[in-house]
Amino acid sequence: SQKIEQNSEALNIQEGKTATLTCNYTNYSPAYLQWYRQDPGRGPVFLLLIRENEKEKRKERLKVTFDTTLKQSLFHITASQPADSATYLCALDPTGTASKLTFGTGTRLQVTL
Amino acid sequence: DTGVSQDPRHKITKRGQNVTFRCDPISEHNRLYWYRQTLGQGPEFLTYFQNEAQLEKSRLLSDRFSAERPKGSFSTLEIQRTEQGDSAMYLCASSTSGRFQETQYFGPGTRLLVL
Repeated sequence: SQKIEQNSEALNIQEGKTATLTCNYTNYSPAYLQWYRQDPGRGPVFLLLIRENEKEKRKERLKVTFDTTLKQSLFHITASQPADSATYLCALDPTGTASKLTFGTGTRLQVTL
Repeated sequence: DTGVSQDPRHKITKRGQNVTFRCDPISEHNRLYWYRQTLGQGPEFLTYFQNEAQLEKSRLLSDRFSAERPKGSFSTLEIQRTEQGDSAMYLCASSTSGRFQETQYFGPGTRLLVL
C-alpha cells in the first residue's frame, strides 16, 4: 500500500542549529514533492516544491533534497529560530494530475533559546 | 490580502444536525479542494472542483457529505446527520490549473465539533 512517513515524534533543537526533517514514501513515483508549514489552528502554508529531476532546492534558510532512488526527501532549516517552531508536512501528488495531495502526518519542530 | 477564506471558523453542533461550510478561493483560481484534518494527522483529500465541475471524490466522502461549486467561484460543503466522528478541521484550498501550477493555497479551516 502507499505510505508517506514522517517522524511523528517532535524534533527539539536549539536556536541557531540546523533542523533536518525526513519524509519517506513507498509505492509512489511522484513527479514532485511539496513541503508545507502548519501552525496550530491554521491551514498549511506552502514552502517549497521540488521536482523529480531536481536534487536540491533552496529558499532563504530552507533547503529541500529529493532522492527518488531512496524515496526520501529531507527538509533543512538552517540557523533555526523560535519562530520556526511549527508542524512541517510533506505532500505528494499521487496521480500526477495536480488534482489532490496526499500528506504525511507531519513533524512538529520546537526551537528553543 | 485576498487569500482563501472560510466561514465559519468554528462550529459546534449536536449529533444528527446538518452543517454547511463555505469556502471562497483566491479569485483567479479555477481549482478548489476540500480536505479534512484530525488531530495529529495530515490533511486528507475529500473532493475537488475545476470551475463548477466536481472532478473527484474520495471514498472518505460518505453519502452524508455533499459539496457544490455552482458558479465556479465559492464552494459549500454540507454534512448531513452529523456524527461525532465528523469532528475535525475542514480545510479548503485553491490553485490554478495547468503545467507547473501544482501549489495549493489553503484557507484557515473550519473547526467542527459534534457533541
